[in-house]
Amino acid sequence: KAGVTQTPRYLIKTRGQQVTLSCSPISGHRSVSWYQQTPGQGLQFLFEYFSETQRNKGNFPGRFSGRQFSNSRSEMNVSTLELGDSALYLCASSLVRDLSYEQYFGPGTRLTVT
Amino acid sequence: TQLLEQSPQFLSIQEGENLTVYCNSSSVFSSLQWYRQEPGEGPVLLVTVVTGGEVKKLKRLTFQFGDARKDSSLHITAAQPGDTGLYLCAGAPDDNYGQNFVFGPGTRLSVLP
Repeated sequence: KAGVTQTPRYLIKTRGQQVTLSCSPISGHRSVSWYQQTPGQGLQFLFEYFSETQRNKGNFPGRFSGRQFSNSRSEMNVSTLELGDSALYLCASSLVRDLSYEQYFGPGTRLTVT
Repeated sequence: TQLLEQSPQFLSIQEGENLTVYCNSSSVFSSLQWYRQEPGEGPVLLVTVVTGGEVKKLKRLTFQFGDARKDSSLHITAAQPGDTGLYLCAGAPDDNYGQNFVFGPGTRLSVLP
């Protein structure tokens, strides 16, 4: 079974631009979550989508948005990029097992904002 | 805001030694997960603990969930260089619908041959 894939793997953008990142979950997984990972703040939850609906949202500004398609693929968008948005963006697809969610992470997209 | 703390932040040991890393919070979690992350990759789920006091073993790794479901520990016996990586704990809030995991800052483990 193929794992979670994320594209692109690396991205360099200029401050003020916008960016769209893509995530394809494991087949059959309907929940997709996005995280931002930085050396200073660690892994922080951005949002979770389930059946095309945003079910949970972290404490990030409105510049960060996402969506999920009917095939469970998900995209996240960051508008008006800031230098502080440089980070590893991770996507995780999940299934429920034993009353908890098992998360399977992709390799991430490394975003550098200059 | 629910926070998870992990200790130690860094750990460097020789192959064959034993070690324990800790994950603590003042909040109650419905479940807690441990992950290992290697450079350039996403975290990989090692275990999920759900019941207070639960102990799970995965080969040389032993995971324990505190009785009050506020803390957890990971013990590695006879560490090997392949155990090197960033160990992250993540908690699911007790009142959460869906998933909204809170991650600790991680323990960076280096096992020297």
